[in-house]
Amino acid sequence: EIVLTQSPGTLSLSPGERATLSCRASQSVSSRYLAWYQQKPGQAPRLLIFGASSRATGIPDRFSGSGSGTDFTLTISRLEPEDFAIYYCQQYGSSPPITFGQGTRLEIK
Amino acid sequence: QVQLVESGGGLVKPGGSLRLSCAASGFTFSDHYMNWIRQAPGKGLEWVSYIGSRSSYTNYADSVKGRFTISRDNAKNSLYLQMNSLRAEDTAVYYCARDHSSGWYYSGTFDYWGQGTLVSVSS
Repeated sequence: EIVLTQSPGTLSLSPGERATLSCRASQSVSSRYLAWYQQKPGQAPRLLIFGASSRATGIPDRFSGSGSGTDFTLTISRLEPEDFAIYYCQQYGSSPPITFGQGTRLEIK
Repeated sequence: QVQLVESGGGLVKPGGSLRLSCAASGFTFSDHYMNWIRQAPGKGLEWVSYIGSRSSYTNYADSVKGRFTISRDNAKNSLYLQMNSLRAEDTAVYYCARDHSSGWYYSGTFDYWGQGTLVSVSS
């Protein structure tokens, strides 16, 4: 099983600042199958990034993804108030085919 | 626009059964693999199962294998999850989610999600 470890667990920043979220895999993940999701309280997750670096439909360009192999990063260039949420990375690979990271909580400082 | 609406959740005793449904609209349902993903209260996301666009392929998480069965009815644009032998640890919000690919392969990326239905397993 590929384990995804996200860091930090909680990130406290102010609007306008840059956020860098990390996702580390226990073994190599194809970039094609690495995605990032945003979840706000009481809501379903929303796809932000797929294929490690492609933005999903309607996602602002302040969100960007990068990385390869075992290390992936989600960057939010300038935080807006609506960006404070929990972020999950997710991979599709070997059995079990789908695993999620434990999440990074992005909170207002 | 794409809509996924889950139903069928509720309170059930350990060992009991429940059938979840997901009604899809706004896209060609038969073109996409579909998934069930769950989230225990206050916890992270756990993939449960997927089914191929024509029901040819299914896969399950080890935690539900042999107890849950995924199915679909493309004529009714509906996805189902039959859950048997339920345990307390199955308590979660269950989401249906569309696979991003509209081809004949599974991309393992979920581009649309329903709002979820809560399943509570307790005596």
